[in-house]
Amino acid sequence: GAVVSQHPSRVICKSGTSVKIECRSLDFQATTMFWYRQFPKQSLMLMATSNEGSKATYEQGVEKDKFLINHASLTLSTLTVTSAHPEDSSFYICSAREGAGVNTEAFFGQGTRLTVV
Amino acid sequence: QKEVEQNSGPLSVPEGAIASLNCTYSDRGSQSFFWYRQYSGKSPELIMSIYSNGDKEDGRFTAQLNKASQYVSLLIRDSQPSDSATYLCAVRAGGSYIPTFGRGTSLIVHP
Repeated sequence: GAVVSQHPSRVICKSGTSVKIECRSLDFQATTMFWYRQFPKQSLMLMATSNEGSKATYEQGVEKDKFLINHASLTLSTLTVTSAHPEDSSFYICSAREGAGVNTEAFFGQGTRLTVV
Repeated sequence: QKEVEQNSGPLSVPEGAIASLNCTYSDRGSQSFFWYRQYSGKSPELIMSIYSNGDKEDGRFTAQLNKASQYVSLLIRDSQPSDSATYLCAVRAGGSYIPTFGRGTSLIVHP
C-alpha cells in the first residue's frame, strides 16, 4: 500500500505551548487528508478533513482555532495544537486518501503520541 | 446518522483456527468497505478493501460483502498469535470521501 509518514511519533510539551504535527504522503498525491484523535482503548474520533488548497472541515465539537490544520500541498498536511493543555494529551493520527474515485483507499500515518505536562 | 457496528469482543480463538469478524452498517448507499488492523499503541493498517458483493481473498484474509443484508465480514484463516489486534471496519458512502469507522473488535489468538 501507499506510504504515509507522520512526524513526530512522540512529543512531550509544556502546558500552554503549541505543537505541530506533519503528515506526508510519500509516494502518492493525497486529495484528502483526515486527522483523527484516539484516547486509550477508545475508537478513532475524526477531528477534521482537509482538501489541498482549501480550508479544513472540522467535526462538531472540535475547536478550529485550537487545532489548526493546513493542507498546503497534495503531499503535506499539518496539524498544530495551539496552547496545549493536559486534556489534549492523546494519540493523533493522520490518514491520506489516494485519488478521488469511489474505489480509493485511505492509509494512516504512524501516529503522534502527544503528552502535555 | 451513519452507523457501523462491530462486536467489541474480545474474540478469542486458538492458533490455527479461523477467526470471523463481523460488521454491519446502516447506510444502504455505502459503496466502499475496508478492514484495518490496529495493534495496541499503533496506528491502523489497511488489510482489505472490498467494493462489490461476494468474497475477496488476499492470503489468509477473506473479506465478504453482502450489501442486501448490509454486512461485511473478515475471515482470518490459520490464525496466528501475531494476528492478535483490534480490527476496525470502515464504510464509505457513495459520493462521500469520509469513512465511518466501527469501534473495532479485539481479537486474541492464543497458542
